[in-house]
Amino acid sequence: EAGVAQSPRYKIIEKRQSVAFWCNPISGHATLYWYQQILGQGPKLLIQFQNNGVVDDSQLPKDRFSAERLKGVDSTLKIQPAKLEDSAVYLCASSRLPRQGTGDLGEKLFFGSGTQLSVL
Amino acid sequence: LAKTTQPISMDSYEGQEVNITCSHNNIATNDYITWYQQFPSQGPRFIIQGYKTKVTNEVASLFIPADRKSSTLSLPRVSLSDTAVYYCLVLPPMIKAAGNKLTFGGGTRVLVKP
Repeated sequence: EAGVAQSPRYKIIEKRQSVAFWCNPISGHATLYWYQQILGQGPKLLIQFQNNGVVDDSQLPKDRFSAERLKGVDSTLKIQPAKLEDSAVYLCASSRLPRQGTGDLGEKLFFGSGTQLSVL
Repeated sequence: LAKTTQPISMDSYEGQEVNITCSHNNIATNDYITWYQQFPSQGPRFIIQGYKTKVTNEVASLFIPADRKSSTLSLPRVSLSDTAVYYCLVLPPMIKAAGNKLTFGGGTRVLVKP
């Protein structure tokens, strides 16, 4: 199956500018996640969607970050305005419900390669 | 909240077995343990998951003692390409209820030397 697609791969902007990232999850995956990974740290969950509804956005800095998942498929994450501390890799992941008979205990996350953002 | 603790880094040599232990003292009854691997410039990749005792797949083994307060990921006969960061997560069966459990910790950086 095709993997999670993200674009762009790299983005360089100046502080106070706006930026948007796009994610296309694996076909049929109802749950979509956006993560922020700062250099040297593990990925931090920003927002979780199930279909087109938000499940958890408790760690999303809502004063500058926004995300949407129209029609329950593709998703965009926007930062406006960007700050220096937003420099990170933004990862998108998707997952499906466990399939009976497969031994799956829970949903497995499939990640894209991420967008590396540099804010100057 | 089942906070996890792992060693920051480990070094090994090609052909050796690498064992990474993750502590999760506050694991809930229904939580399961899952491990991910991340190479530079890539997103994490699922390796293995388990609830109790031992699970083995083509990549690794996962050992979980009876009290489930820790788990050990075992990578048999590592090669240079196993150099990566390994993350342990403790998650509920319904990921919709996972909340902050879906945030990865710092992971364990494994360096395999020739």
